[in-house]
Amino acid sequence: GIQVEQSPPDLILQEGANSTLRCNFSDSVNNLQWFHQNPWGQLINLFYIPSGTKQNGRLSATTVATERYSLLYISSSQTTDSGVYFCAVEREWNNNDMRFGAGTRLTVKP
Amino acid sequence: DVKVTQSSRYLVKRTGEKVFLECVQDMDHENMFWYRQDPGLGLRLIYFSYDVKMKEKGDIPEGYSVSREKKERFSLILESASTNQTSMYLCASFPRDSAYEQYFGPGTRLTVT
Repeated sequence: GIQVEQSPPDLILQEGANSTLRCNFSDSVNNLQWFHQNPWGQLINLFYIPSGTKQNGRLSATTVATERYSLLYISSSQTTDSGVYFCAVEREWNNNDMRFGAGTRLTVKP
Repeated sequence: DVKVTQSSRYLVKRTGEKVFLECVQDMDHENMFWYRQDPGLGLRLIYFSYDVKMKEKGDIPEGYSVSREKKERFSLILESASTNQTSMYLCASFPRDSAYEQYFGPGTRLTVT
């Protein structure tokens, strides 16, 4: 099956700093999503981004499908950004076979 | 505003017990999923269902079964709980033609002693 690797596994930032999280995948995909799991365990869908660039407030994401990677940018980080960020991919759209990476655990200190 | 609920936030069971984890969604979604989350492994798919009474095995179905008698409810069953099933269990749902609109439940942290 398709492999998904995320880096770094852990990241500690001071409030206000910027960061970049990376997701590499081993095969072409038609679906790629970024999720944020808050410290209480709730998973929230951040971006659906199989290709191109999207922005939502302080967060943005870029997927370069031909090179099989995606980046999640967090600017001016806040303590509420803490949690685990997951990348998930699906080789064929809506085939119910979404594969998750191991996640990047982000801690933002005040 | 609550969309996906799970029956328990924390659960402690003994080895050999039969365990039921319930997931209910109020969005009339066709697709429902059960994942388990373990440190360093991310989320792994246990079972999914794309319609009432339909079920498909995911990556790690061994030791689990599921039931979907009603569209809004998807149950995960541990027939005989074992310590290696101690984990966080997450339920998710999304509509048939919109895979990117996934909604997750709050999770159930199961400990098997």
